[in-house]
Amino acid sequence: GAGVSQSPSNKVTEKGKDVELRCDPISGHTALYWYRQRLGQGLEFLIYFQGNSAPDKSGLPSDRFSAERTGESVSTLTIQRTQQEDSAVYLCASRVSGSRGDTQYFGPGTRLTVL
Amino acid sequence: TQLLEQSPQFLSIQEGENLTVYCNSSSVFSSLQWYRQEPGEGPVLLVTVVTGGEVKKLKRLTFQFGDARKDSSLHITAAQPGDTGLYLCAGGPSGAGSYQLTFGKGTKLSVIP
Repeated sequence: GAGVSQSPSNKVTEKGKDVELRCDPISGHTALYWYRQRLGQGLEFLIYFQGNSAPDKSGLPSDRFSAERTGESVSTLTIQRTQQEDSAVYLCASRVSGSRGDTQYFGPGTRLTVL
Repeated sequence: TQLLEQSPQFLSIQEGENLTVYCNSSSVFSSLQWYRQEPGEGPVLLVTVVTGGEVKKLKRLTFQFGDARKDSSLHITAAQPGDTGLYLCAGGPSGAGSYQLTFGKGTKLSVIP
């Protein structure tokens, strides 16, 4: 596709359930990021994938959060035993490196609501 | 930990007015990016500045990177309703091989017709 796509666009779940969010990056982009955006807040870095290198998981807030990416394709972010404080918009971005800083292209996000 | 402070947090102005949004830090950044985010969408990159003192213009938008590469501003001339959105600044850290951006909390702009 032409841009980064994410699914589902909205997810409502009950506290304690597991959820899986999907990101399809721009074809050919080797780098992929996941961010969390809480209401009224900026973007909080969660995890970074670059090619076949080990991912940078330093932003994951707890061991309930995990993410996978196969090669340079789709990525999934999984949240186990969801809590109400997990409610947020989860954004995915893929990156191409340019001469004037890195350019990240964002998907529309998945709005997660934990009841 | 690098932090970016944006001000103001909220701004509501009449169509045709000018405005300036600020992005400040005590840390040095290798680059500074500005994004605009509309409801239900992801942020869209507006501009990247990499040189201290750099000024870039994008139609009615003027972006400036501070001489010390610690701060930036976004000035909009003759604001229009289409400028409404959340404006985010993001700093690229110094150091080779760095890849993370530090985002500010954003300025929510409403331009009233």
